[in-house]
Amino acid sequence: EIVLTQSPGTLSLSPGERATLSCRASQSVSSNYLAWYQQRPGQAPRLLIYGVSIRATAIPDRFSGSGSGTDFTLTISRLEPEDFAVYYCQQYGASPYTFGQGTKLEIK
Amino acid sequence: VQLLESGGGLVQPGGSLRLSCAASGFTFSSYAMDWVRQTPGKGLEWVSAIRGSGEITYYADSVKGRFTISRDNSKNTLYLQMSSLRAEDTAIYYCAKDTSGFPMYHFDCWGRGTLVTVSS
Repeated sequence: EIVLTQSPGTLSLSPGERATLSCRASQSVSSNYLAWYQQRPGQAPRLLIYGVSIRATAIPDRFSGSGSGTDFTLTISRLEPEDFAVYYCQQYGASPYTFGQGTKLEIK
Repeated sequence: VQLLESGGGLVQPGGSLRLSCAASGFTFSSYAMDWVRQTPGKGLEWVSAIRGSGEITYYADSVKGRFTISRDNSKNTLYLQMSSLRAEDTAIYYCAKDTSGFPMYHFDCWGRGTLVTVSS
């Protein structure tokens, strides 16, 4: 099983700042099958990025993904108030299709 | 695109429950569908998937032999039959739309979830 470790656990930033979230895999993610989701309180997850760097439909371009192999990054260039939420990475290259434990992005 | 789950509730260990997910806003039969669950302790966990045609199903080891996924494309509805339920099956269960007719195991639309609690 591929274990995904996200860091930091909590990130405290202000609106307008840049956020950098990390996801490290215990082994290489096949075919760069790595996705990122956003989950706001009381809501279901929302797909932001798939294939490491492809933005999902209607996702603003302030969200970007990068990385390869075992190290991946989600960057939010300029934080908007609605961006404060929990973010999860997921690998879908090998069963079981695992998620990270999440990074909580909170307002400083 | 909208997904609406139903059927969650409180069930005793060893009991059964059937979840449903009503889909709208897309050509249901063209997409694989999945169930994903979430708990505070274990986080998000993929549970099961079914091809758009309904012919082939896939399961996580933790539920294999106890859960059955199915779909009725004439009713645009996805199901999850859960039996021999355990305390560790307690979770919010999300219905999720896959990105193609064959499971790709990443999900571009999720329902709001239904809570399943397994407890005596």
